[in-house]
Amino acid sequence: EAGVAQSPRYKIIEKRQSVAFWCNPISGHATLYWYQQILGQGPKLLIQFQNNGVVDDSQLPKDRFSAERLKGVDSTLKIQPAKLEDSAVYLCASSYQQGVVETFGSGTRLTVV
Amino acid sequence: KQEVTQIPAALSVPEGENLVLNCSFTDSAIYNLQWFRQDPGKGLTSLLLIQSSQREQTSGRLNASLDKSSGRSTLYIAASQPGDSATYLCASRDSNSGYALNFGKGTSLLVTP
Repeated sequence: EAGVAQSPRYKIIEKRQSVAFWCNPISGHATLYWYQQILGQGPKLLIQFQNNGVVDDSQLPKDRFSAERLKGVDSTLKIQPAKLEDSAVYLCASSYQQGVVETFGSGTRLTVV
Repeated sequence: KQEVTQIPAALSVPEGENLVLNCSFTDSAIYNLQWFRQDPGKGLTSLLLIQSSQREQTSGRLNASLDKSSGRSTLYIAASQPGDSATYLCASRDSNSGYALNFGKGTSLLVTP
């Protein structure tokens, strides 16, 4: 089966600009996660969707980050405005249902200068 | 909130040595625990998953153990090879947080020829 697709692969922006990341999960996967991985740290959950509903967004900086999953399939994560500390790899993962092992995408590496 | 800690942060060993990576977690009410491998600039590769009812899992030269009562897991790598060089991440999955993964910061392993 096809894996979790993410784009772009890399992005460099200036601080205060906006950026959007896209994730296409494996077909039929109801659960979708966005993780942020800062260099030297483990991934941190930003938001979890079950179909098109939010399960957990407690660690999402809602003043600048937003995410949506229209129609319960693809998802976009947006940052506006970006800060230097947002430089990280943004990983998307999906699973058939909650509690089932997820498949991770290759990630989007964001550099904010 | 679950806290996952990995020790050591970095490790360098000569080829052929057996080694142990340590992971501890603060909340023993985990659903399962997973070990991942991450190569530089790459995504996450799942190595082993231990359900909360299990004590260990083995795959080739890898063996992971779980002791819920003490909040600890270890990853044992036998007869290390230069190709094992990577960052190893431990992550707990908790039923009270939507079954998302809580990651440690990882152990960076270098196996020298």
